[in-house]
Amino acid sequence: AQSVTQLGSHVSVSEGALVLLRCNYSSSVPPYLFWYVQYPNQGLQLLLKYTTGATLVKGINGFEAEFKKSETSFHLTKPSAHMSDAAEYFCAVSDPAGRRALTFGSGTRLQVQP
Amino acid sequence: GAGVSQSPSNKVTEKGKDVELRCDPISGHTALYWYRQSLGQGLEFLIYFQGNSAPDKSGLPSDRFSAERTGGSVSTLTIQRTQQEDSAVYLCASSFVLAGEETQYFGPGTRLLVL
Repeated sequence: AQSVTQLGSHVSVSEGALVLLRCNYSSSVPPYLFWYVQYPNQGLQLLLKYTTGATLVKGINGFEAEFKKSETSFHLTKPSAHMSDAAEYFCAVSDPAGRRALTFGSGTRLQVQP
Repeated sequence: GAGVSQSPSNKVTEKGKDVELRCDPISGHTALYWYRQSLGQGLEFLIYFQGNSAPDKSGLPSDRFSAERTGGSVSTLTIQRTQQEDSAVYLCASSFVLAGEETQYFGPGTRLLVL
């Protein structure tokens, strides 16, 4: 079975500050890893994903994440927060060889202060 | 191009009534998923369709929930005898596999409120 833990249900940063959203996973097989963003009253939008290859993955809107197998982590970062980054962020995992459905973390709501 | 669409966007119903939620996937996507997003349970997988294979229904919470996918395209999620705990946002996603990799694209969801 797979599981995802997102530390911090709410994170607040100042505009221009570093954004760091934490994600740890548990999986018995090498997983595929995803970050999705959800703006109010909207569906989920893919930010980035890791499947194979380079462990540092760059996504849209200046976000990136690094897959660290030894730490079972896939933390999301952005060097400089913008007001428009305020949203809820979900880390998710899937088993590429088994059930393809995503298992999601509980989400982190990012607040950006002016 | 057009993304995943869902209808209705909002649905208010009375306890005990049946509801149908519709999902139109991205054209050409062979896989279709239903998820539920609720305050207490977060985002949960419900059911998965892949081509002509039997659906994976392992996430359906009770036998009041069912779904079908007609012609490999449009899907309908049906909830019979709705209960207040069914209130949630129901999200649909479609995907395709390219070079062994799959990305799911989500619709805007249907917000269901059971009174």
